[in-house]
Amino acid sequence: DAGITQSPRHKVTETGTPVTLRCHQTENHRYMYWYRQDPGHGLRLIHYSYGVKDTDKGEVSDGYSVSRSKTEDFLLTLESATSSQTSVYFCAIGRGLETDTQYFGPGTRLTVL
Amino acid sequence: RKEVEQDPGPFNVPEGATVAFNCTYSNSASQSFFWYRQDCRKEPKLLMSVYSSGNEDGRFTAQLNRASQYISLLIRDSKLSDSATYLCVVNIRRGQNFVFGPGTRLSVLP
Repeated sequence: DAGITQSPRHKVTETGTPVTLRCHQTENHRYMYWYRQDPGHGLRLIHYSYGVKDTDKGEVSDGYSVSRSKTEDFLLTLESATSSQTSVYFCAIGRGLETDTQYFGPGTRLTVL
Repeated sequence: RKEVEQDPGPFNVPEGATVAFNCTYSNSASQSFFWYRQDCRKEPKLLMSVYSSGNEDGRFTAQLNRASQYISLLIRDSKLSDSATYLCVVNIRRGQNFVFGPGTRLSVLP
């Protein structure tokens, strides 16, 4: 158990509404990540954080923003959800001396109608 | 060319069989390598890191060939519980740039 929780676990929302997903860790790791997983694409990095208030974009960051005001929480926001953002979202932490090993939360299944 | 490619699968094998998965990566600057397994509708879980010298964990053996930019995973004596999707992961820069392959699905049949 990597001490990572995600909330909500499931969400259905309508196009154009804002959505915030939360990732919470209990182990004080510096690196945190948000991925989305879609059939045919595998896992793709949206944003990551390397410390409080330190974030950077990943491969598929358009339409998403993140915030990290505390070490333990990493928030992913869809400012105006679109149907193409229907996906499973996974949060991960980076562990190890060189933070090169990732451990994942249980995922959030988001449906945008 | 995709950064990380894997055998398309699916692999359907009987219990007790030996099965091998292959993965190739395109970025020669890649620094670390991993195999994850993912059960249906669950999160990916680390199976093992892959080292240049090769490494073994019980029935699982991973190999890395940097010259050919190739990673493999061998599973011996397959169990029903090995049924899952196996993801090859390459890290290009410490803490960043983790690239996941599309996965290879394995079904172990009784």
